[in-house]
Amino acid sequence: EAAVTQSPRNKVAVTGGKVTLSCNQTNNHNNMYWYRQDTGHGLRLIHYSYGAGSTEKGDIPDGYKASRPSQENFSLILELATPSQTSVYFCASGDPYAEQFFGPGTRLTVL
Amino acid sequence: GDSVTQTKGPVTLSEGTSLTVNCSYETKQYPTLFWYVQYPGEGPQLLFKVPKANEKGSNRGFEATYDKGTTSFHLQKASVQESDSAVYYCVLAPNNNAGAKLTFGGGTRLTVRP
Repeated sequence: EAAVTQSPRNKVAVTGGKVTLSCNQTNNHNNMYWYRQDTGHGLRLIHYSYGAGSTEKGDIPDGYKASRPSQENFSLILELATPSQTSVYFCASGDPYAEQFFGPGTRLTVL
Repeated sequence: GDSVTQTKGPVTLSEGTSLTVNCSYETKQYPTLFWYVQYPGEGPQLLFKVPKANEKGSNRGFEATYDKGTTSFHLQKASVQESDSAVYYCVLAPNNNAGAKLTFGGGTRLTVRP
């Protein structure tokens, strides 16, 4: 079964600081995704990737960057964190037409 | 763009009663439709998918029929259990080659009381 792990699981950051959220998957999936989850909005796609070296903008990319240095790893970067980016972030991998496998989530609080 | 609208919730039911979560979608593509479920403290996981119109998907007693005519994909279960308490997401994947993206509905939180 696909395994997707995220680190850190919880993070408190200061406004204007840089935050990096990391994701690792061990099932050799080409596609990886970053979502944020907010009450009333469900999951919204921030960035995604088709493979190492590729990143694509999702539906809400403003204020976020992504990096895919290898097949296994996909990072989400907040260069200048703001309180509006307080949320729960999920990484996922897999074929969108078959199944996406989600990590356990990272709770980010920006003060 | 694509959109998915579902019952807002929260929904609270007693064990043994029936569940319906409404889901409607909009897309210019011919989609694959999914229901994902998220238990407390976990990421979402696939409940089932239906790739073709007029077909039914099911898993763990839940079922939904892909109705292209009414652009709906309502989730139903005849008799809910306390262990079904979770958030349910209706999800769409457009079948095109332009990008591999899912569109999620807002989620419906279900609480089942014993």
